[in-house]
Amino acid sequence: QSVLTQPPSASGTPGQRVTISCSGSRSKIARNSVNWYQQLPGTAPKLLIFSNNQRPSGVPDRFAGSRSGTSASLAISGLQSADEADYYCATWDDSLNGVVFGGGTQLTVL
Amino acid sequence: EAQLVESGGGLVQPGRSRRLSCAASGFTFDDYAMHWVRQVTGKGLEWVSGISWNSGSIAYADSVKGRFTISRDNAKNSLYLQMDSLRVEDTALYYCAKGIWNDIYYYDLDVWGQGTTVTVSS
Repeated sequence: QSVLTQPPSASGTPGQRVTISCSGSRSKIARNSVNWYQQLPGTAPKLLIFSNNQRPSGVPDRFAGSRSGTSASLAISGLQSADEADYYCATWDDSLNGVVFGGGTQLTVL
Repeated sequence: EAQLVESGGGLVQPGRSRRLSCAASGFTFDDYAMHWVRQVTGKGLEWVSGISWNSGSIAYADSVKGRFTISRDNAKNSLYLQMDSLRVEDTALYYCAKGIWNDIYYYDLDVWGQGTTVTVSS
């Protein structure tokens, strides 16, 4: 069981906006920033969002991250078939002294 | 372009050892912290270990603490993971990943290798 909780699946139709949540305890998400990774089928993960809401160069602004209290969210607008992937949130756990990942959310574009 | 290439995976018996390597190129290796992350087939990501630019800060997941040792050789632009007392549950694809700055507390991983598979089985 992951320290960060994500829904196992999410779905949407092309052009729609979908949101993926990531919840944790006060000792985790509330204290440290959250990152999001996208893992396309058969490929290595890719950093999608860092420091809660920052996009690395090359990531389209259709992807937006936010954090509030002990929860974080990834919003994907203008959904495309190419967005079908697994999405993971991650943060630093002070008590474990290490990085913790959410269990991942499989996004399906219908 | 920054690139990471892992090697050293393979089939190993329970209780034995294996050393993974990660060759870095395209960036100033000794400016950045490095991490290992693993993934069981069909499952999620699990952080394994991280090491700061000068090896001054090192951390491990509880699941590997005392059995795995992370190290780096900045002169060779290389990261290593020595895995001892391997267990069946260590079977996974092991990724090498670059942090965005020099300490392990900068845990944003912006460059990933393609991974090397370790299978622990008798």
